[in-house]
Amino acid sequence: DAGITQSPRHKVTETGTPVTLRCHQTENHRYMYWYRQDPGHGLRLIHYSYGVKDTDKGEVSDGYSVSRSKTEDFLLTLESATSSQTSVYFCAISEGSPQETQYFGPGTRLLVL
Amino acid sequence: RKEVEQDPGPFNVPEGATVAFNCTYSNSASQSFFWYRQDCRKEPKLLMSVYSSGNEDGRFTAQLNRASQYISLLIRDSKLSDSATYLCVVDLNTDKLIFGTGTRLQVFP
Repeated sequence: DAGITQSPRHKVTETGTPVTLRCHQTENHRYMYWYRQDPGHGLRLIHYSYGVKDTDKGEVSDGYSVSRSKTEDFLLTLESATSSQTSVYFCAISEGSPQETQYFGPGTRLLVL
Repeated sequence: RKEVEQDPGPFNVPEGATVAFNCTYSNSASQSFFWYRQDCRKEPKLLMSVYSSGNEDGRFTAQLNRASQYISLLIRDSKLSDSATYLCVVDLNTDKLIFGTGTRLQVFP
């Protein structure tokens, strides 16, 4: 299995609080991604990174920010969590391009009350 | 038309059966195609890539039909352990992959 970890694995928070999710990889892959998965929608891309300090928006980026200060770490921040951001968040990595196989972390279950 | 469409199922089949799933995609310029498997409350995992000439991995066969813009997954001799959701994944010839919402397979004894 690809060396990808996510923390925390579960989190319950209240509306309006900031939340940061961490993705850590040991594969030295260039690309990292954050997705959310909700019933009926499948996986939707939030943000992705193509290198240290290089990030871009996905299709559902509103309300989220990301940072990548090291190759191995990609952080997703919800500046002010809302109930609509209750979801399962998956981090993924790929080696050379977004069109290549992506490998996923175990996911973070976030509940915003 | 959705970028990637799959029948959500569930497909309920007995052990030993053969089952096939199709997935249609909208972008005729797509170049990368995959099937992922996702178990309940787990992360998606690559099952197999799909190549233009079709490819096989044990009991699993994937095919690509560019003219009709669909990919298929055939599972022969179904096992209980094959019960999962199967995600169709296609690139949009841009910097991202699009994931289908998945087809649920339930194999019963």
